[in-house]
Amino acid sequence: DGGITQSPKYLFRKEGQNVTLSCEQNLNHDAMYWYRQDPGQGLRLIYYSQIVNDFQKGDIAEGYSVSREKKESFPLTVTSAQKNPTAFYLCASSHPLVGRGAFFGQGTRLTVV
Amino acid sequence: RKEVEQDPGPFNVPEGATVAFNCTYSNSASQSFFWYRQDCRKEPKLLMSVYSSGNEDGRFTAQLNRASQYISLLIRDSKLSDSATYLCVVKTSGGSYIPTFGRGTSLIVHP
Repeated sequence: DGGITQSPKYLFRKEGQNVTLSCEQNLNHDAMYWYRQDPGQGLRLIYYSQIVNDFQKGDIAEGYSVSREKKESFPLTVTSAQKNPTAFYLCASSHPLVGRGAFFGQGTRLTVV
Repeated sequence: RKEVEQDPGPFNVPEGATVAFNCTYSNSASQSFFWYRQDCRKEPKLLMSVYSSGNEDGRFTAQLNRASQYISLLIRDSKLSDSATYLCVVKTSGGSYIPTFGRGTSLIVHP
């Protein structure tokens, strides 16, 4: 079955640590996105990639980094520079045509301990 | 002004009621519109696209008003299972079609 998979579902990070969230899709989508959602808030764009080996900063990129070495994969690293990383992280992918919606993975809930 | 604005609610309605949500967007270059549903602590799921002529999917009807820059979602004969947060999403041209999300409208359907 085609879909988008995020792992892990839950992640605990100690202060000062970098952690990497995995996102893999087999939908053959060119575009992939990372969003952050805080309780009671909407989705805010962290990074996006429209094609392999290229990515752009979103609205809240500070403290995060990404790579796009393969079409299927778009991992997100939450660095120690991100001062408030506790949140629900959502990865999405979409067909590049403007009229197509995006599909999400099940999300990773990150907590700083 | 936020790019996509929604009334956060909650909308508290009885089963069988008809309920409507609106969403306004600020960028006139916006080209694609969608409604998503998000259950508590889950990922958003695509509910339906919104077309200029309006479109219907069972009990759900979506409308787009480009002149006033708003979209709407109408739910008829509400079910308990419709309780969720409904997110308005806009894709805007300009090189990259990035989905921009509203904060969502919470719907609670009670017996």
